[in-house]
Amino acid sequence: DTAVSQTPKYLVTQMGNDKSIKCEQNLGHDTMYWYKQDSKKFLKIMFSYNNKELIINETVPNRFSPKSPDKAHLNLHINSLELGDSAVYFCASSQDPLAGAEQYFGPGTRLTVT
Amino acid sequence: GENVEQHPSTLSVQEGDSAVIKCTYSDSASNYFPWYKQELGKRPQLIIDIRSNVGEKKDQRIAVTLNKTAKHFSLHITETQPEDSAVYFCAASFSGGYNKLIFGAGTRLAVHP
Repeated sequence: DTAVSQTPKYLVTQMGNDKSIKCEQNLGHDTMYWYKQDSKKFLKIMFSYNNKELIINETVPNRFSPKSPDKAHLNLHINSLELGDSAVYFCASSQDPLAGAEQYFGPGTRLTVT
Repeated sequence: GENVEQHPSTLSVQEGDSAVIKCTYSDSASNYFPWYKQELGKRPQLIIDIRSNVGEKKDQRIAVTLNKTAKHFSLHITETQPEDSAVYFCAASFSGGYNKLIFGAGTRLAVHP
C-alpha cells in the first residue's frame, strides 16, 4: 500500500519534447509538493498545492506547469524540455500546509533529457 | 534570502563512533527543522524533527539540538552502524506559516565496519 506514488519511475526523452509526471497520494492529505533534486543531490522545492490551490510557486521556468485535478493528485507537465531539466523529481504530501506538518516523499522520477 | 547551510559535506566514521552534522539558517522566523535520510536511489525519509519551542529532542540513537539565538541546529548520531550510511539533509521552514522547506546541501555519511 504505497502512500505516495509517482509514474513513471524513469523517463528518457529528447530536447524539445513535452512530458508529464504523475503523482498520487492515498494518505488523505490536503497538501502536495514537487521537488527537483539535481545531479549534486541538491533538493529544491518547486510548487505546492493545498486542496487544489497553488500556495507555493518558486522561481521556476514557466515551461513547468503543475496541475491538481483533486487533492490526491498533483501532476507536473514540462514543455520544451532542456538538458538542464535532467534531474530526479520528487512528489511529496503533508496533512496540511502549515509549517511542522511532516512531508512524505514519493519514490521519485528520474528524468533524462538527451 | 532563504538559505540553509550544512556542514560537513562528507563524513566518514568507524562503526560505533558518533557523527555530528551542523546546519545554520537565515530566517529568524523559521520554526520547524526536520532532518531527512536518503539512501542511494531511494526517497528522502524523515528521521527526526524539532520545533522552535524545543531546544533538544532525542529518539534512540538520534538527537537534534536547536539554538534559535545563533540560528543553528545539529544532528547527533551515536553508536553508528553501517546501515546509517546515507545522505542526510537538514531543512528549515520559510515563507511565514506555510510548510515551505529549504534544504541544506546534504551530508554524505559513511560508516565503516
